[in-house]
Amino acid sequence: GENVEQHPSTLSVQEGDSAVIKCTYSDSASNYFPWYKQELGKRPQLIIDIRSNVGEKKDQRIAVTLNKTAKHFSLHITETQPEDSAVYFCAATANQAGTALIFGKGTTLSVSS
Amino acid sequence: EPEVTQTPSHQVTQMGQEVILRCVPISNHLYFYWYRQILGQKVEFLVSFYNNEISEKSEIFDDQFSVERPDGSNFTLKIRSTKLEDSAMYFCASRPQSTNTEAFFGQGTRLTVV
Repeated sequence: GENVEQHPSTLSVQEGDSAVIKCTYSDSASNYFPWYKQELGKRPQLIIDIRSNVGEKKDQRIAVTLNKTAKHFSLHITETQPEDSAVYFCAATANQAGTALIFGKGTTLSVSS
Repeated sequence: EPEVTQTPSHQVTQMGQEVILRCVPISNHLYFYWYRQILGQKVEFLVSFYNNEISEKSEIFDDQFSVERPDGSNFTLKIRSTKLEDSAMYFCASRPQSTNTEAFFGQGTRLTVV
């Protein structure tokens, strides 16, 4: 089945710097790749997603890139702010026909001012 | 904005007892899920439900787990005989008709087995 690896597990940046989180997946049939932000004690919330027919997607300070050949995708946050501090999870669909999401282990992002 | 709601927010139960976690997905969504998150760990898929039957399940979802959609609005997860290792946050999620769209998560039920 699908396996999603996520790096780094922790990331500390200064306010205004960029942050990059990387994920790899194992099932070449996966075709949907969301990123979720989870604040302490709260539900995961979608921040951006990308489908397999697209290589890059941007939404203000957040962007995601997808390399299907290499089976990896990355989250880029520019001009980080203290409120970006949270745990970020990448995910991939379990297989092309499935709808379940398989999550990475998460990255704890700390933005210091 | 419509949201997925879960009850209770926190459940404490004795080992060996049965628990039922309840969820009300967003109306007109057709795909329903249960995930769990052990404290400090990743979100793990348990089961997906579509058209009144289980469509996918993980290795975690063994015979002690079951799901049900008893009426048009509720979606429940039953754990028959709880173990200490079942202690976790359980999230319900739902998705609209099309796949490859956002999964909306409920606020979670924290299950503590003592």
